[in-house]
Amino acid sequence: AQSVTQLGSHVSVSEGALVLLRCNYSSSVPPYLFWYVQYPNQGLQLLLKYTSAATLVKGINGFEAEFKKSETSFHLTKPSAHMSDAAEYFCAPSKTSYDKVIFGPGTSLSVIP
Amino acid sequence: ETGVTQTPRHLVMGMTNKKSLKCEQHLGHNAMYWYKQSAKKPLELMFVYNFKEQTENNSVPSRFSPECPNSSHLFLHLHTLQPEDSALYLCASSQAHSTAYEQYFGPGTRLTVT
Repeated sequence: AQSVTQLGSHVSVSEGALVLLRCNYSSSVPPYLFWYVQYPNQGLQLLLKYTSAATLVKGINGFEAEFKKSETSFHLTKPSAHMSDAAEYFCAPSKTSYDKVIFGPGTSLSVIP
Repeated sequence: ETGVTQTPRHLVMGMTNKKSLKCEQHLGHNAMYWYKQSAKKPLELMFVYNFKEQTENNSVPSRFSPECPNSSHLFLHLHTLQPEDSALYLCASSQAHSTAYEQYFGPGTRLTVT
C-alpha cells in the first residue's frame, strides 16, 4: 500500500535562506505526486504536480520539486524563503490513477525575519 | 462566488444537536470530497462523490451522513457527534474522480463539539 513520510513536522528557516521540505513515498512508484500548501485559516492549494513527464517539476511561488526514483523521494525546494511562505506543506502521492491521493502528515514551515 | 465555498466557517454544537455543513463549487467539476483534518493527524478522506454518486466511504461512523444533490453541492449532515469529532472539515472538488486531476479545496468549517 502506498504510504508517505515527511521528515520534520516543523522546519524553520531565515528569510532569504534555502527552503528544503522532505518527502519520501513507499517503494511502489506512484503515477502522480503532489505538493499542496495550506496557509493559515485556508484550505489546501496545489503547489505542483509530478506526472512522469519530467523529473524536475516547477510550481507556483518559486517552488520546485525533484522526483528521484532511486531514493523514493520528492523533496520540495525554494532558493530563497519569503515571509509569505510560512504555511503547512503536504506531500501527496496517489495510489493509482483512479484511486485516492494519500496525504502526508505535513510540515509546518516558519520563516524568521 | 468563485472556487469552492463552505458554510458555516465555524460551528459549535452539543453532542445531541443536529447540524449540516454545506459546500458549493463554482468550477464545473464532477467530483466532490469531504476530508477531516484533526490536529497532529494526517488529512483523512471521508467521502467521495463522482457525478453525484458516492464512490467512496472510508469507514466513516454513521453519525456523519453525506448528501450530494447535484455536482455543485455537497452536504455533511451531523448528529449525535462526539468530542473527538471536533476538527476542521474540508470540502474539495476536482474535474472527475481521478488522481490525474488537481483537487480544489474550500476554506473549511471549524467544528467544535461540546
